[in-house]
Order: sequence, then C-alpha cells, then structure tokens
Amino acid sequence: NAGVMQNPRHLVRRRGQEARLRCSPMKGHSHVYWYRQLPEEGLKFMVYLQKENIIDESGMPKERFSAEFPKEGPSILRIQQVVRGDSAAYFCASSTIRGDGNTIYFGEGSWLTVV
Amino acid sequence: GQNIDQPTEMTATEGAIVQINCTYQTSGFNGLFWYQQHAGEAPTFLSYNVLDGLEEKGRFSSFLSRSKGYSYLLLKELQMKDSASYLCAVREGAAGNKLTFGGGTRVLVKP
Repeated sequence: NAGVMQNPRHLVRRRGQEARLRCSPMKGHSHVYWYRQLPEEGLKFMVYLQKENIIDESGMPKERFSAEFPKEGPSILRIQQVVRGDSAAYFCASSTIRGDGNTIYFGEGSWLTVV
Repeated sequence: GQNIDQPTEMTATEGAIVQINCTYQTSGFNGLFWYQQHAGEAPTFLSYNVLDGLEEKGRFSSFLSRSKGYSYLLLKELQMKDSASYLCAVREGAAGNKLTFGGGTRVLVKP
C-alpha cells in the first residue's frame, strides 16, 4: 500500500472551515475510491472516481462534500464548512480497472480533527 | 444494498487459533476480502475469496461459502502482533472495486 499517497496525514480544522484531502493513486491505477472511518467503526464507502469522472457517489453526504479526480494531479476530497461529526479517518484506495486479490491498495489515510 | 456482520471483539491466547466469522447478504456477489488494520494505520490486504473453499496463506486462512453467504478468517499460532482489527469486505458487481465493509472484529491476543 506504500504506492497510494495521501496528504495531509493529519489535519486540524475549526468548525466552519474547509478541509481538502489529497490522494495520488498508485502508478498505473486509474480508479480511486474514498472511504471514511469513524472511531471504532468499519470503513464506509463514499465515492468512486475515474479520471475526470465520478462513477459512484452513493456514499457521499448530500451537502458539503465533493470529490474530483482531474486529468492531471491527485484526487481531491473536499469538505466545506466542517462540523465536529466530520472528524474521522479518510482513506483512499486505488486499483486498475478490474481488481482481484491484492490489487486494491489503500493509502495511509488522512486523519481529520474538527475542533 | 449489503449487510455484513462480524463479531465486534474476540480475545485469544498467544499460540492459539482464532476464527472470525463474517456473514453477508448481497446481490451480485463478486468476491470477499479480509483486511488487517492496526490502530491508526491503513487496512492491509490479507486474503481474497471468490470461489467456495479454503484459501491458505501461511498462518492465515480464509473460507467462503457463497450459498450460505458466509466466510471466516482463521488465524493460527497467534502472535502478540496479531492484535488488530480484522475487516471483512464484499465486492459487488462486475465493474470497479467498490467494497462494502463490515464493522470489523477487534482481536486481542493475550500472553
């Protein structure tokens, strides 16, 4: 999983500020997935993107959250007007078109704390 | 939608064996994954099953029964470093790699 790079690793934001989390997929991977993990819980799917396309955003909250994966550069998960309930670990994973076995790789995660 | 259930917590002794069960309900099942996650770290891939049967990899084995919607992860010769959460995840559909995770099972290995 060392190939999927996420930054920042830790981010502290005050309520009402914006948080931007970045994910660079493993080389050769064109599919990116964002997951959120609340304390003491499992990972929850948020969004699945390919370059310049959102494929599945069924897990994204309806407001304040958005994601993109531009033609150039990393995927961005953006949270506007953060609230305390947004405090969580946000994991990015990447894969080729079809993943089997261990071809789905997770990044180290970004821990967001809202104060 | 999917429903994935696994026990919340298990305790075992160093050197022993522990079996973590996972049951799921899904349409379009296309593979089941097990991940290990230490506190504050990323999930690490352990095993993958798409056909019925047992997959063995060192001290870890995983079993799948698609007809029963059931899998288990078997950890043998437990070591202290195996204390972690173990996540069961199901892939659904023919395209992409969207995974639905269970809540995770926290395993505590005692000396």
